[in-house]
Amino acid sequence: NFMLTQPHSVSESPGKTVTISCTRSSGSIASNYVQWYQQRPGSSPTTVIYEDNQRPSGVPDRFSGSIDSSSNSASLTISGLKTEDEADYYCQSYDSSNHGVFGGGTKLTVL
Amino acid sequence: EVQLVESGGVVVQPGGSLRLSCAASGFTFDDYAMHWVRQAPGKGLEWVSLISWDGGSTYYADSVKGRFTISRDNSKNSLYLQMNSLRAEDTALYYCAKDISPVGASWFDPWGQGTLVTVSS
Repeated sequence: NFMLTQPHSVSESPGKTVTISCTRSSGSIASNYVQWYQQRPGSSPTTVIYEDNQRPSGVPDRFSGSIDSSSNSASLTISGLKTEDEADYYCQSYDSSNHGVFGGGTKLTVL
Repeated sequence: EVQLVESGGVVVQPGGSLRLSCAASGFTFDDYAMHWVRQAPGKGLEWVSLISWDGGSTYYADSVKGRFTISRDNSKNSLYLQMNSLRAEDTALYYCAKDISPVGASWFDPWGQGTLVTVSS
């Protein structure tokens, strides 16, 4: 099986842009779609990106996703940061046997 | 409105058993695969199990395989997780989540509010 590694925390100022990485330990990042989930304190997770770079309806276009085969990683980029973006973010994918794999999560602080 | 409501979480002794339930409403339940995902206190998300739309395919994390059983009753719009041989490390908030596909291995939308399982003597 593989692991997804995220930075423990990131911080940035309102209005700026932040990128959160998610590195796959083995196998190609492109072999299974990557999702990103946002979890605000005390709330259940919600999807902000699915299938590498797709946004569910209702998610602002300030959120974008991408994958980079050269670094074997996925990225979540949030532009025009707002205080409401402060949350934990988790990347997620599947292995070849349909077992889900989550990254360890990244705490985003907007200060 | 699509809604998932988990129940059944309690304090249980190590080695004990428990069945969690997830009541679904607002969508055609038997059109979608379903998942259980857990979150230990102050920790990250851990995928636990997946069941296809008809219950014909099930998948488990290595950490629970052989101890937990996922099932569903489409006539009752309900998802279940039978948890046996519980350990302290199973202590977590357990979420049910709807997959967007009937066979699973896609993205989750939505998630329930979770039910807390505490394994302690």
